[in-house]
Order: sequence, then structure tokens, then C-alpha cells
Amino acid sequence: DGGITQSPKYLFRKEGQNVTLSCEQNLNHDAMYWYRQDPGQGLRLIYYSQIVNDFQKGDIAEGYSVSREKKESFPLTVTSAQKNPTAFYLCASSPWDRRTEAFFGQGTRLTVV
Amino acid sequence: QQQVKQSPQSLIVQKGGIPIINCAYENTAFDYFPWYQQFPGKGPALLIAIRPDVSEKKEGRFTISFNKSAKQFSLHIMDSQPGDSATYFCAASKPAGNKLTFGGGTRVLVKP
Repeated sequence: DGGITQSPKYLFRKEGQNVTLSCEQNLNHDAMYWYRQDPGQGLRLIYYSQIVNDFQKGDIAEGYSVSREKKESFPLTVTSAQKNPTAFYLCASSPWDRRTEAFFGQGTRLTVV
Repeated sequence: QQQVKQSPQSLIVQKGGIPIINCAYENTAFDYFPWYQQFPGKGPALLIAIRPDVSEKKEGRFTISFNKSAKQFSLHIMDSQPGDSATYFCAASKPAGNKLTFGGGTRVLVKP
């Protein structure tokens, strides 16, 4: 089955700790994205990557970091610098020739305790 | 600055009714307007999309209406069913764009 796998589904973090969210895709898509979803605010773009070893900041990149060492993987690290990290995080990917047709994973709900 | 404004935030209809969700955009460079459907605890899924060269597009019970001069587009769900209860997001992107700008979402509840 082709798709996007995010893990874990639920994640709890203590204040001051960094945490990494996993995103893997086997769709052979070139582009990958991370979005943050908060109630009533829609989806806001954190980071995106068009090709391996390259990525760009989205609208709310502060307090986050990413890497793209493999085409299939685009992990997101939520650092202690992120002031309000509790949210639902969504990873997406899209093919090179239809870059705005995003396919989403099932999401990771991060809660800071 | 919110480039795509979506309304209403929530909507309740009876089964068979026609929920209508509206979106307005500011950037005239946008040329691709998709709608996504999201069920609780799941990721959004592409539902239907339109480009500005057409004023209407239908896929099954879902219809997009597009008004280029008013910079508005809307989603109609015909003969709505309880299984259509979900959050719907509109979005927009620029030509050769590599990212989507999303509206704030509309939670739709279809009562049996």
C-alpha cells in the first residue's frame, strides 16, 4: 500500500525537551511538507522540501527544524524554542508534476505536559 | 495576513440539505483552488479542485462554484449525508506553485 506514515500518533513531551516527529512516504514523491493544525486556524506551513538535501521555511518555522537526507523521509524536530508546541502535526507529500496535490499522513498529536 | 478566508466556521444541516462553504482570496495570482475533507483524528484528503478557467465543477455530490471577479469560490454538498460530517478546508496556490495556502476550515455536521 502506498502512502504516508507518520509516527507516533500521540506524543507527550515535557517542557524544555526537543522531540522528533517521523514522516515516511513510499509514493516516490519529490516534495514533502509539514503543517501545524490548531483549532480554527486551518493548516499552517512549517517547512517544505522539494528535493533531497534541500528545504525551505514556511510561514511558522521558528522553533522547528527539519532534514531531508532521503527522498522517503522528512522528520520534523520540535525544539524547546517553540513556545506553544501543543498541536496536531501533519506531514504531506506531492509529486513533482502536481506539486499542489498534497497527500497527507494521519497526523501526530503532540502534547506538552 | 490570512490570504484565504473561509466561512462559516461551523455548519449544521439536516440529512438531504445542502451545506455551502465559502472562501475568499486576496492574491489574484492564485490559479488552483482545491478542497480538502478531514475526519476527526485523520489527515485531510483531496476532495475536488478547480482552476479559474471554469465557473463550476462537479464530482459526485460535491460542486465547486468559482467567481473570478469576486475572488470567491464555494463548495456545495448536494443531498448531504451523515457520513459527510467532517471538517472542510479550502486552499489556493499560485501558478507553478509549490505550496498551498489554506483557509481556516469549516466543521460540517449532517444530522440524520
